[in-house]
Amino acid sequence: AQKVTQAQTEISVVEKEDVTLDCVYETRDTTYYLFWYKQPPSGELVFLIRRNSFDEQNEISGRYSWNFQKSTSSFNFTITASQVVDSAVYFCALNPNRDDKIIFGKGTRLHILP
Amino acid sequence: DAGITQSPRHKVTETGTPVTLRCHQTENHRYMYWYRQDPGHGLRLIHYSYGVKDTDKGEVSDGYSVSRSKTEDFLLTLESATSSQTSVYFCAISEGSGVGKNIQYFGAGTRLSVL
Repeated sequence: AQKVTQAQTEISVVEKEDVTLDCVYETRDTTYYLFWYKQPPSGELVFLIRRNSFDEQNEISGRYSWNFQKSTSSFNFTITASQVVDSAVYFCALNPNRDDKIIFGKGTRLHILP
Repeated sequence: DAGITQSPRHKVTETGTPVTLRCHQTENHRYMYWYRQDPGHGLRLIHYSYGVKDTDKGEVSDGYSVSRSKTEDFLLTLESATSSQTSVYFCAISEGSGVGKNIQYFGAGTRLSVL
């Protein structure tokens, strides 16, 4: 089965705390791609990052970092020193190789409290 | 920002009426997608297109049809709208599949209410 699970439906943290959003995926393919998207309260979906299955290096972009672990089929997203502007719904997604479609998780709603 | 325009942005209609949503892109991307977003379900694929006149079904295609007569336009039609089709509809585009091409970029969404 091809599947993405975001077990955290909703998370609330106080501003400046670090927060990690979990993503677990299932796929039969050895080559695949993983994504994170952000949907702020304004509603648009914004692409954040794509990783391929052969690149397990963690990635850092400013306050954002991503931890990809094939051994646990996880692609977790950490926001360091969270800010109110980080409040959004975050989607993890999977694109199996040779597939035209992306499979989205159900999303995690993140509230950053001032 | 990817050049994707969805129209209308908001629509209210009555049960049983046909509705057409339009997605227009200026990126000349090969692939176009229609999703619906509902609370508790995330994003679900309705239909997608991999070229002019080439379309395929997604996981929630019943009650929807699509057409793509030009690279830049992808139409989603609700043949006879029902209240269960009240949702936010997103169009997305991508260059293709595989390395460097499979990032999907999304339009701003259409909020549809079926009364």
